[in-house]
Amino acid sequence: SYELTQPPSVSVSPGQTVSITCSGDKLGEKYAYWYQQKSGQSPVLVISQDNKRPSGIPERFSGSNSGNTATLTISETQALDEADYYCQTWDSSTAVFGGGTKLTVL
Amino acid sequence: EVQLLESGGGLVQPGGSLRLSCTASGSTLSNYAMNWVRQAPGKGLEWVSGISYDGVSTYYADSVKGRFTISRDNSKNTLSLQMNSLRADDTAIYYCARAAGHGDASFQHWGQGTLVTVSS
Repeated sequence: SYELTQPPSVSVSPGQTVSITCSGDKLGEKYAYWYQQKSGQSPVLVISQDNKRPSGIPERFSGSNSGNTATLTISETQALDEADYYCQTWDSSTAVFGGGTKLTVL
Repeated sequence: EVQLLESGGGLVQPGGSLRLSCTASGSTLSNYAMNWVRQAPGKGLEWVSGISYDGVSTYYADSVKGRFTISRDNSKNTLSLQMNSLRADDTAIYYCARAAGHGDASFQHWGQGTLVTVSS
């Protein structure tokens, strides 16, 4: 079965830029999606189809996907960005999530 | 504004059954694929099942295949998940999620989730 791998945790200082990676076999040939989940809340879509921001998502959030790696980049990181981030793709009509990355804003 | 509301969660014994429902307001579900995603306590997201906009096609994770059945009633704007032969590792918050549509298969809208606890 298809697998997506994310680093368990990443930390960043306020105002800095942070990238969260998501790796999978030939992931660049599929669409990658990213979700933000704050503690005790439902997930929120922050990046769709590799690099599209849904309405209401700040421009600070951007995405890319090439080769075997998709990347979520958050610029000018704020304390309110502290959350778990999950990548997701589709493989043979099955949705696959990465294990999630806990972003800590120090 | 699209709002999804799950219901039907609760405590059930191993081997038991439970039926989850998801109703929508602010959106006609009939135009969109729908999915169930779960999250075990302290764990990550796990896709459970999906259904096409018209209910013709259904899909399941290997972990629930043969035990869970997804269905929808577009006339009632409702999505359901029948869960049979429940096991302890099915314990999780179950979210319904609506696809973005228009060729975008992302989970654009999520409910608040309903907790299913499988325990004796």
